[in-house]
Amino acid sequence: DVKVTQSSRYLVKRTGEKVFLECVQDMDHENMFWYRQDPGLGLRLIYFSYDVKMKEKGDIPEGYSVSREKKERFSLILESASTNQTSMYLCASSVSGSIREQYFGPGTRLTVT
Amino acid sequence: AQSVTQPDIHITVSEGASLELRCNYSYGATPYLFWYVQSPGQGLQLLLKYFSGDTLVQGIKGFEAEFKRSQSSFNLRKPSVHWSDAAEYFCAVGPNSGGYQKVTFGTGTKLQVIP
Repeated sequence: DVKVTQSSRYLVKRTGEKVFLECVQDMDHENMFWYRQDPGLGLRLIYFSYDVKMKEKGDIPEGYSVSREKKERFSLILESASTNQTSMYLCASSVSGSIREQYFGPGTRLTVT
Repeated sequence: AQSVTQPDIHITVSEGASLELRCNYSYGATPYLFWYVQSPGQGLQLLLKYFSGDTLVQGIKGFEAEFKRSQSSFNLRKPSVHWSDAAEYFCAVGPNSGGYQKVTFGTGTKLQVIP
């Protein structure tokens, strides 16, 4: 079974803090993704990575950055957290090549106060 | 650009009743289509997918979906709903081409099951 784990289920941070969300997958997948999920908006892609040290912007990259130093780990960084970044963050992974199904982690609910 | 519409934000059905969740997509060719389910407090789990071939696709947990090219639809169905099916359901579309291409998710349909 593919397993995607996220470092925290719930996180509370203050405005202006630097926030790190970590994601680890154990199936040697090349692709990894970060989404944010908000009510009524579905899932919106923030960034994705198709290889180590490679990254591509998604639909809403502003205010976020990512890091992928190892194949199994993909980190999302909020350089200076703001209240409008309060959301559910979902990490996913998939094999390389053409479209394949994505495997999701349980999510991190981030609250910025 | 590809897009997905799930016209029903919230649906309530009685346990044992049949279910149909609607999904319409916009894409220039035959897309890859997916249905995911998200139980409360959980990540998304793949229910089923359509890439090509038979337009009626069987998935896990007794779900099925039918790809109708003429209607640009990929509706999810289940003949008899169980209380454990209460969750949020997402339809997704991706382009049918090589290399990585973005998958677009719908806004979700929340299913409530009443006894």
